[in-house]
This record gives sequence, C-alpha cells and structure tokens, in this order.
Amino acid sequence: DAMVIQNPRYQVTQFGKPVTLSCSQTLNHNVMYWYQQKSSQAPKLLFHYYDKDFNNEADTPDNFQSRRPNTSFCFLDIRSPGLGDAAMYLCATSRVVGWAEAFFGQGTRLTVV
Amino acid sequence: QQQVKQSPQSLIVQKGGISIINCAYENTAFDYFPWYQQFPGKGPALLIAIRPDVSEKKEGRFTISFNKSAKQFSLHIMDSQPGDSATYFCAAHSGTDRGSTLGRLYFGRGTQLTVWP
Repeated sequence: DAMVIQNPRYQVTQFGKPVTLSCSQTLNHNVMYWYQQKSSQAPKLLFHYYDKDFNNEADTPDNFQSRRPNTSFCFLDIRSPGLGDAAMYLCATSRVVGWAEAFFGQGTRLTVV
Repeated sequence: QQQVKQSPQSLIVQKGGISIINCAYENTAFDYFPWYQQFPGKGPALLIAIRPDVSEKKEGRFTISFNKSAKQFSLHIMDSQPGDSATYFCAAHSGTDRGSTLGRLYFGRGTQLTVWP
C-alpha cells in the first residue's frame, strides 16, 4: 500500500543530544509537512516542503531543522533537544500545493531524558 | 489565535448512541473542512471531509453538517461503537495564507470520544 512511513516509531534521546527523525512516502506527493503534537493537543505545523522549497512557520524554534534530499524522503533534525521538545512528531504529505487532503504517517514518539 | 474552535473536549456516549462534535471558524477563506480520527499512538487519519458549497455529507455512519452562514460544522456519528473510541480533530484548509498560495490545515484542539459498550 502507498504510505507515509516514519522511523523510528519511538525515539529516546538525551537532553541536548542531536536527534534525527525520518519520513518516507510512496505517494509521490510534492508537499511534505512536519507537525509536532503534544499530549492532548492539536498537531502544530513546524514547516513544510513544496518540492525542494522550504517553508518555515514563524514560531518554529531555530532548534528544529529539516532536510528533503529527494521527493520520497524528509528528515526532521532537532539540534539540541530540550525536555519541552518531547512530543509526537507527525509527517504528512499532500499531492500538490493547495491540495487540501493530507496523509499522515504514524508518528514518532520522542522522549527526552 | 485559535482559527478553529472545537467542542466538547471530551465526550462519553453509550454504544448505539449518537456522538456529536462541533466546530466553528472565522476565516471565510477556508475552502475545505476535514475531520481526522486518531487512535492512541497513531497518526491522524482522514475520516470524512466537506467543501463549503455543500450542507451535508454522509459516509456510512459518519455525517458532516455544514452551516456556512453560521460558520459552523459538526460531525455526527450514528450508532456509535466502542471501536469509534478515539480522538477526533476537525480542521479547516486555507487555499491561500498570508499571500502565499500554499495551503494550511488549521486543527481544532480535538475531542476525545469514549463509547461504552
């Protein structure tokens, strides 16, 4: 099945130790999103790519970076994770810019110790 | 500023009952209103969606009612089942955002639905 796949499902990292989360998609969608979701809260958009064009949300901390080496893969880098960065990180895709339907991966649960 | 307001925060329904979740929005530029269902430890999955030129959409036991003049929309789950227990998010899509053509999904805060057997 065409999917959005996130790895790992669970990630434990030390305070201040860089961590990378990955997302791959077989949908061949142009747009990829990264959301942060804290417990009992709505997903919060961090940034997104339209093809290789990167778009950062104004309130996304500089601690968060992203890379998209090709259409299928996208990475979320957290340079110095703090305790407040513990959350579920969701990757999503949509077919083209302005296409409303988004497909989500299962998420990566990040724990910071 | 909360672009989409969702209520209630939690809902408990008896099996076979009707679950109703409400959302309201302000931005008349929103052009698509999806509902997502999320089970614990999983990503949100699109459940049903509606465009503002339609007042109602039904898919199986799930119905969206849309009131454009009131800027409100709601999800009705008929004959609710224990397997429907999940968190439900309403959302609104903006085809244009701050001059950009890139769409945004604005999520409500979510409703945790529990259906008792």
